[in-house]
Order: sequence, then C-alpha cells, then structure tokens
Amino acid sequence: EADIYQTPRYLVIGTGKKITLECSQTMGHDKMYWYQQDPGMELHLIHYSYGVNSTEKGDLSSESTVSRIRTEHFPLTLESARPSHTSQYLCASSPNLPTGETQYFGPGTRLLVL
Amino acid sequence: SQELEQSPQSLIVQEGKNLTINCTSSKTLYGLYWYKQKYGEGLIFLMMLQKGGEEKSHEKITAKLDEKKQQSSLHITASQPSHAGIYLCGAEHNAGNMLTFGGGTRLMVKP
Repeated sequence: EADIYQTPRYLVIGTGKKITLECSQTMGHDKMYWYQQDPGMELHLIHYSYGVNSTEKGDLSSESTVSRIRTEHFPLTLESARPSHTSQYLCASSPNLPTGETQYFGPGTRLLVL
Repeated sequence: SQELEQSPQSLIVQEGKNLTINCTSSKTLYGLYWYKQKYGEGLIFLMMLQKGGEEKSHEKITAKLDEKKQQSSLHITASQPSHAGIYLCGAEHNAGNMLTFGGGTRLMVKP
C-alpha cells in the first residue's frame, strides 16, 4: 500500500463555511492530484501539481483552490462550501518516471455540505 | 470520460463464477491502469499494461491489453465476495499525460 493520507475522512459542514481538505504523501512523489468522484463513480480531475509551487486546474471546473508549498503536502480549500460541493474527494500522487503514470490514491474525504 | 468506456456498468455474479470487465478507448493507449475501489475508500492499484498483447495476472485477476492498444479486459476467475467493489480503468494516452478514468464497473459477488 502507498503512503498517502487524507484528513478528515468524513466531514459534515454548513453552507458558507471555509474548509481545507488535507493530503500528504511520504513517498517523495513530484506529481499530486485531486479528483472529485460523483455518485455515478466517475472520477473527475479538478487540480494537479507537478511539483513545489506548481498547480494547475484539471478537466472539471471547481471552485476550490490548492497549494503546493512542500513536496509532501497538497491541501485543497473551499472558501465557501455549498451543497453542490457534496462529494467524495480523492487525492493521488505519482512519481516522475518515464515508465508510466501509476497513481497512488489516498482513502478519500467524503464531504457533506448542508 | 467519453474517451474511455467501461462495460458493464454493474455486475452481479454468484460466488465461484468467472467474469470479465471491459475497457475501451477511442484513442491508442500509452498505458492502461486497473484500479479497485471499495465503497467510500480510495483506489487500490491493481495492474498496469503498456505493450500490445500484454497480459498480467495477480492472484485470480488477469488483465489483458489488445494488440492495437485500445481495449483492455479484466478477468476474475472463481470470484469471491472479497472481489466485490468498483473496478476502474485509467488511460494514459501519451507518456507523462494525465490519466483519464472510465465510469467504473460495480461488482457484487453473491455468496
């Protein structure tokens, strides 16, 4: 199993609150990703990073922001949570190798916004 | 992703039966990844295929990539309740590119 962690695992919060979902990995991976997974199971990439101080938006538009100040840490922030943000958020990382993009996933954060 | 189609969307099998899940890409693949997810948890990496015609096995799970590198199948032999979960394929279309994921196949194994 990969050493990638997400906290909290579950979060119930009211509309308008600011929240930060934490993701950290101890494998020294350069690349990190945030996915949003809807009830139909499909994964949507919302943010990614190729290294420190590198962040990009993914395929799915998201009102969240990310930062990458340290290699091991890639937090995702929602400034003002809304019910439409209710979802599962998965963090992943991968090494910067030419041999492929094997991504290792954290356990996920299940967010419910009331 | 419409570029990557998985079938079936869901599958219920009796314990001990064999089953196959398919993943088809509209583009030639650089790499194809299979993951398993239990409800409410993260994805567990199963296998990665890169060469046309490649086949890999892990315990009772075998994955193949066709010669054209556009379709992969995941085959489970003598299924067990522990095989239940969501199976997702991820496609890498060029070296170093992001993975795009299929819609997943929800597998239930009845004891």
